[in-house]
Amino acid sequence: SQKIEQNSEALNIQEGKTATLTCNYTNYSPAYLQWYRQDPGRGPVFLLLIRENEKEKRKERLKVTFDTTLKQSLFHITASQPADSATYLCALRGPSNTGKLIFGQGTTLQVKP
Amino acid sequence: NAGVTQTPKFQVLKTGQSMTLQCAQDMNHEYMSWYRQDPGMGLRLIHYSVGAGITDQGEVPNGYNVSRSTTEDFPLRLLSAAPSQTSVYFCASSYSGGGGQFFGPGTRLTVL
Repeated sequence: SQKIEQNSEALNIQEGKTATLTCNYTNYSPAYLQWYRQDPGRGPVFLLLIRENEKEKRKERLKVTFDTTLKQSLFHITASQPADSATYLCALRGPSNTGKLIFGQGTTLQVKP
Repeated sequence: NAGVTQTPKFQVLKTGQSMTLQCAQDMNHEYMSWYRQDPGMGLRLIHYSVGAGITDQGEVPNGYNVSRSTTEDFPLRLLSAAPSQTSVYFCASSYSGGGGQFFGPGTRLTVL
């Protein structure tokens, strides 16, 4: 069955460092991979989307890579700040244009001042 | 724009009761989805819709019904609530099938 795995353990880093979060998937051929941020008690917020034919996408301090051979995406936050502390979710969409997403369970990032 | 709105924010039901969770969006999005989020399980897709009059099942559809009579509204009905349906429910919409989804604030449901 299709499976998406994100580090279940929280990631703790020091302010100013680069945070790297991992999303691995199996038994799936996604057309798109998306990353979301979720704060406690709130709905997820869309951050970035990368297509299967793209290797890397950047937006301000965020960078996403997508390796369809390794079946892995890496999500980087450079010059991290305490305000970046949140849970980050990856989501995959298959080739059909239905808007149907499969989500990972999320990784919690804690940035310490 | 209000974005995606959900009501109620909180709800407590007794086993066997039925209710409808409301979801509305004012962005003229064709695609809408319902998810449930449980600790350690991530978001799981319940039902989704690619336009008015068109709905389909997601990963965990049992015990839930949906309809999409207008572009704006996508209500989720619990037919006979069970304790296993205790969860946080999120509605989401997107302009296209591949675009990022906009989520509502969620409904926290407890079934006793």
